[in-house]
Amino acid sequence: GAVVSQHPSRVICKSGTSVKIECRSLDFQATTMFWYRQFPKKSLMLMATSNEGSKATYEQGVEKDKFLINHASLTLSTLTVTSAHPEDSSFYICSARDSRSYNEQFFGPGTRLTVL
Amino acid sequence: LAKTTQPISMDSYEGQEVNITCSHNNIATNDYITWYQQFPSQGPRFIIQGYKTKVTNEVASLFIPADRKSSTLSLPRVSLSDTAVYYCLVGGLMDSNYQLIWGAGTKLIIKP
Repeated sequence: GAVVSQHPSRVICKSGTSVKIECRSLDFQATTMFWYRQFPKKSLMLMATSNEGSKATYEQGVEKDKFLINHASLTLSTLTVTSAHPEDSSFYICSARDSRSYNEQFFGPGTRLTVL
Repeated sequence: LAKTTQPISMDSYEGQEVNITCSHNNIATNDYITWYQQFPSQGPRFIIQGYKTKVTNEVASLFIPADRKSSTLSLPRVSLSDTAVYYCLVGGLMDSNYQLIWGAGTKLIIKP
């Protein structure tokens, strides 16, 4: 149980375009989902926290207009990178908190974004 | 905010026990300590979580001293497939003020 999927697993896009990444909890309801980005050989950096039905909470330094997060249902959250630039190229990982679990987040497999 | 410090890298051999220590001097009362394993281009995988004393599961043990300012992940009898980056995460999901501070990670290399 507690499986989280992400789609797509990798995407290549041109500079200036927008890219949407989906994060789904497959067998549980996720009241809270987290979005991270990870640069090569670096640790995970929390970008934002999204709660179902409410606005996401962004970490300091993360542009909310650049990284649009929608958490419209208990099993789906999306991250849209708007007007992508090469510096947005990174590994984006989502995690989800099971509403029944005490203190655990389950991670998706990640999405590799390359902006040309 | 709890800041964590881990060794950048460690080497060991198959069949050995490996201990990785994480320092978190400013850990808060409500913070838990969680360890994750990550392979290249994959999401982190949960290993073990604890609050204090010792926790053991089928893959690892976690030792936390009384002052909780550090923790040690113990991997018994490692194999080549344990080569990965191991992260120490200090924080909690118990309330809406999520403070999830990830360590820099320890790259563990297991040699035959």
